[in-house]
Amino acid sequence: TQLLEQSPQFLSIQEGENLTVYCNSSSVFSSLQWYRQEPGEGPVLLVTVVTGGEVKKLKRLTFQFGDARKDSSLHITAAQPGDTGLYLCAGVRQAGTALIFGKGTTLSVSS
Amino acid sequence: NAGVTQTPKFQVLKTGQSMTLQCAQDMNHEYMSWYRQDPGMGLRLIHYSVGAGITDQGEVPNGYNVSRSTTEDFPLRLLSAAPSQTSVYFCASSYQRGGRYEQYFGPGTRLTVT
Repeated sequence: TQLLEQSPQFLSIQEGENLTVYCNSSSVFSSLQWYRQEPGEGPVLLVTVVTGGEVKKLKRLTFQFGDARKDSSLHITAAQPGDTGLYLCAGVRQAGTALIFGKGTTLSVSS
Repeated sequence: NAGVTQTPKFQVLKTGQSMTLQCAQDMNHEYMSWYRQDPGMGLRLIHYSVGAGITDQGEVPNGYNVSRSTTEDFPLRLLSAAPSQTSVYFCASSYQRGGRYEQYFGPGTRLTVT
């Protein structure tokens, strides 16, 4: 059983469209991170959310942590080809434990 | 800061051979982890360490050993390589402060076992 479920698994859209990626769990997380990975490279940290209901913005990317700290979403406005990549959510259930990853969402944005 | 470094970048092994994947970080992070990434499986935790001298198993530890003698280094040893260990291996270091947890990854080692 996957502790963190990401959806959709694959997303192919046109430049300028909006999209949302979801990360859901039945467990509570003390913090949750979003990463972006490009082919041949390691994941790169985009954002960390800690407080239930927290919203963070990174240019055209908006991240939200659910009120109960069990889920998160990533919304991209006006997607660009440069947004193409694998988006991973990951969470820590409690201090001193390791990060748990979802399986990721592969995003393809075509011009 | 170099961040997290991994060597080698590519490696081909024959079944039964052993080798060590090196990982080092210069950010003085207390936590370090090893993951493997396979198509459709996401990132799976192999072993992790919460400090020098302390290690613990992750989701897929069989066939791998780790040790953490210093804060900076966290090598991963393949005891007797098997084709099922063909994968991309990522090392990561992280810190936790007041509920905030941030993890940084190395560039990966691409391992093929024939």
